[in-house]
Amino acid sequence: AQSVAQPEDQVNVAEGNPLTVKCTYSVSGNPYLFWYVQYPNRGLQFLLKYITGDNLVKGSYGFEAEFNKSQTSFHLKKPSALVSDSALYFCAVRGTGRRALTFGSGTRLQVQP
Amino acid sequence: NAGVTQTPKFRVLKTGQSMTLLCAQDMNHEYMYWYRQDPGMGLRLIHYSVGEGTTAKGEVPDGYNVSRLKKQNFLLGLESAAPSQTSVYFCASTLTGGANTEAFFGQGTRLTVV
Repeated sequence: AQSVAQPEDQVNVAEGNPLTVKCTYSVSGNPYLFWYVQYPNRGLQFLLKYITGDNLVKGSYGFEAEFNKSQTSFHLKKPSALVSDSALYFCAVRGTGRRALTFGSGTRLQVQP
Repeated sequence: NAGVTQTPKFRVLKTGQSMTLLCAQDMNHEYMYWYRQDPGMGLRLIHYSVGEGTTAKGEVPDGYNVSRLKKQNFLLGLESAAPSQTSVYFCASTLTGGANTEAFFGQGTRLTVV
């Protein structure tokens, strides 16, 4: 079985400050990890993914994520938050041989001006 | 470039009614998926398809049926709607079944069963 935990329902950060959205996972074999963002009344949009190699992955809109195998984590980060980053963020995992992604429960990011 | 298109975008059903949600993708993707999104629960997989003419059950398949008669279309059916099926439904597709391929999502269908 594979699972994802996003321990924070909501993260609040001031504009210009760094942000972190947490994600931990459980999977058999090598993990393939993804972050998606959902804006109001929209579908999910792909942000970035970790497949192999460098533990720091860079993605769209200035986001990056750090893969930590020993802590089974894949936290999403951004050095300087924008109000327009406010949205719902989902972490997802797919293990080797698995047919579909398993999603976390989502974290709402609120960036205050 | 439309990507993944879902119809309808909104629907209200009475308990016991039936309906079909249509998902169409124009990216020649092999795999297609139906998820439902409920508050605090993320997205849960209902059914998926690994190619034309194939379907398989996901995490929460009860009360739903699917068909993939054409590669570009994946239909989700509710035979007898129940209030517990009130949710937002998302269709997604991936080019292959490779674990490293990202999924592309439609804009969702908001279904309310009264």
